[in-house]
Amino acid sequence: DGGITQSPKYLFRKEGQNVTLSCEQNLNHDAMYWYRQDPGQGLRLIYYSQIVNDFQKGDIAEGYSVSREKKESFPLTVTSAQKNPTAFYLCASSIKPGAGELFFGEGSRLTVL
Amino acid sequence: GIQVEQSPPDLILQEGANSTLRCNFSDSVNNLQWFHQNPWGQLINLFYIPSGTKQNGRLSATTVATERYSLLYISSSQTTDSGVYFCAVYLYYNNNDMRFGAGTRLTVKP
Repeated sequence: DGGITQSPKYLFRKEGQNVTLSCEQNLNHDAMYWYRQDPGQGLRLIYYSQIVNDFQKGDIAEGYSVSREKKESFPLTVTSAQKNPTAFYLCASSIKPGAGELFFGEGSRLTVL
Repeated sequence: GIQVEQSPPDLILQEGANSTLRCNFSDSVNNLQWFHQNPWGQLINLFYIPSGTKQNGRLSATTVATERYSLLYISSSQTTDSGVYFCAVYLYYNNNDMRFGAGTRLTVKP
C-alpha cells in the first residue's frame, strides 16, 4: 500500500536528549514536510524539503534538524535545544512543492519527562 | 502573514443534524484542503478544493477563491464524524507553505 509511515508512534525521552523521528514515503513524492501540533491547536510548519539534498526552515525550526538524503526519507531530529519538545509531530508529503494534495502520516507523539 | 480563520471553534450536534463549517483566508491562495483529524490524531483528507464545489457522500465543500472563503457541509451527521476539522491553504506567493486554521471541533451526540 502506498503511504507515509512514521515511527515511533509514541516516544518518551529525558530532558537533554536528542531524539530522531522517522518518516518514510513510497508515494514517489518530491516534497516532504514536518509539522508540530500542540494540544487544541492547529499545525505549524517546522521544516520542508522540495527535493533530495534540499530543505528549508519553516516557522518554528529552532531546536530541530532534518536531512533529505533519499527521496523516500525525511527524518526529524528534536534536539536538546528545543525548549518545549513535548508535542504531536506529523510528517506529510505532496507530489510537488505546493501542488497536489498533502498527505499525512499517522504521527509521532513525543513526551519529554 | 496570511490569516486562516475557521468558525465555529466548537460545534455540538445531535446525530442526524446538518452543519456548515467555514474557513476564511486573508490572502490569495493556490490551493485549499479540508482535513478531518480523528481521535487518534490522524489527518484524513476530505477535499482538495482550490475552487468550485465537490461532493463525497454526506460531505460536500465549496470554495469561492475570489471572496476568500470555503465551506464544508456535513449532512445527516453520525457519531463517527466527531473530531476536529481543519482547513489548510497554500500561499500564492510561497508554494511550500501550507497554513492551517485552528480547526473546528465537532461533537456528534447519539
